[in-house]
Amino acid sequence: ETGVTQSPTHLIKTRGQQVTLRCSSQSGHNTVSWYQQALGQGPQFIFQYYREEENGRGNFPPRFSGLQFPNYSSELNVNALELDDSALYLCASSLGLAGNDEQYFGPGTRLTVT
Amino acid sequence: DAKTTQPNSMESNEEEPVHLPCNHSTISGTDYIHWYRQLPSQGPEYVIHGLTSNVNNRMASLAIAEDRKSSTLILHRATLRDAAVYYCILVLRGSARQLTFGSGTQLTVLP
Repeated sequence: ETGVTQSPTHLIKTRGQQVTLRCSSQSGHNTVSWYQQALGQGPQFIFQYYREEENGRGNFPPRFSGLQFPNYSSELNVNALELDDSALYLCASSLGLAGNDEQYFGPGTRLTVT
Repeated sequence: DAKTTQPNSMESNEEEPVHLPCNHSTISGTDYIHWYRQLPSQGPEYVIHGLTSNVNNRMASLAIAEDRKSSTLILHRATLRDAAVYYCILVLRGSARQLTFGSGTQLTVLP
């Protein structure tokens, strides 16, 4: 059972604004990863946190930042929004860092930048 | 990261088996083969994974070639609910830092 939730479901922002997206991982999962999915494409890895420390980052600029909290929640922050940031943002939690760990995805937050 | 190649789309009839192929000729000995699927308007969902041996779970079976350069996801009886994009992903054994999604295979199930 997935148990990963994200909020809000949908969000509309204006170019240049800042946004914070939230994720609640499955209890006991020490790893959270964030992905960006543009329309018609597969998800792209933004970054991963393991026990509140950043553990890896994809090809995204520094205006994409994150936090992971001890209560299994996490945040994705995006500053200076651009039109191309319009996408579905997904978080995924997993137990640890093993290659055979399953990642459990939330339903995503649909961000529209106008 | 090692790359995977999948057909863009496949069709199946309801209640028939479906075999979804994936080529990964540059796989390393420490890569797991994972399959995820994404139903419309939902986040991806884990399906199955394996390393060397064939694997079965309640959702599907994974058949891995002896040389590990290809694999096949098998849905034994397709239902309309199985219509989704299926992604074949290689994950390094030592560190599951990220899932690298390709374009996947769009499976259409016909009633």
